Amino acid sequence: QVQLVQSGADVRKPGASVRVSCKSSGYTFTRHYIHWVRQAPGQGLEWMGWINPRNGGTDYVQKFQGRVAMTRDTSIETTYMELRGLTSDDTAVYYCARMVTSGDYFFDLWGQGTLVTVSS
Amino acid sequence: VMTQSPATLSVSPGERATLSCRASQIVHTNVAWYQQQPGQAPRLLMYDASTGATGIPDRFSGSGSGTEFTLTISSLQSEDFAVYFCQQYNGWPQTFGRGTKLEIK
Repeated sequence: QVQLVQSGADVRKPGASVRVSCKSSGYTFTRHYIHWVRQAPGQGLEWMGWINPRNGGTDYVQKFQGRVAMTRDTSIETTYMELRGLTSDDTAVYYCARMVTSGDYFFDLWGQGTLVTVSS
Repeated sequence: VMTQSPATLSVSPGERATLSCRASQIVHTNVAWYQQQPGQAPRLLMYDASTGATGIPDRFSGSGSGTEFTLTISSLQSEDFAVYFCQQYNGWPQTFGRGTKLEIK
């Protein structure tokens, strides 16, 4: 079955870091970039960046530069998004999403989402 | 910037719904639409402004180019009441609209 399965909800204190995982299955892992998109409560979608599972190359939105790291483990077909220096503004549902192979930045498969709550 | 209107649209089941999305710059036809049910991940409905994604019912249609785009649902079913987002992928970074909530009238 073609799917992306994410890790479970997490609660972190301000200043801490969080790592969210995204397990791919049912397709060739290295053929599709994985992007990360977040959604704060009651808000719209905010794109964070991508990782190329083939070679580990990444690109991040400037807003998150220096604070985010996207990595992958090809042996278990899983990508990770780590966000450091958390504040309450980082409370959101984080989604991984599979980019289509045409190279256009839209997404045909999404993970179920991971709620990250930042609270003291 | 992608601006969606209206923010909330109230329509009766069986009627037609028309959702709009305006881009602040020309994005040609590099626009996708997503549907999001409460508590669920977004689902791709349309890409390249007017191409339906796999498995999407043909009551969904998309149109537009340049800066003005429309998603039309011809005869609303109960499962269509959700939030809809447009996205442009012509420029970097690609951006999403803030969404239109389609609710039962």
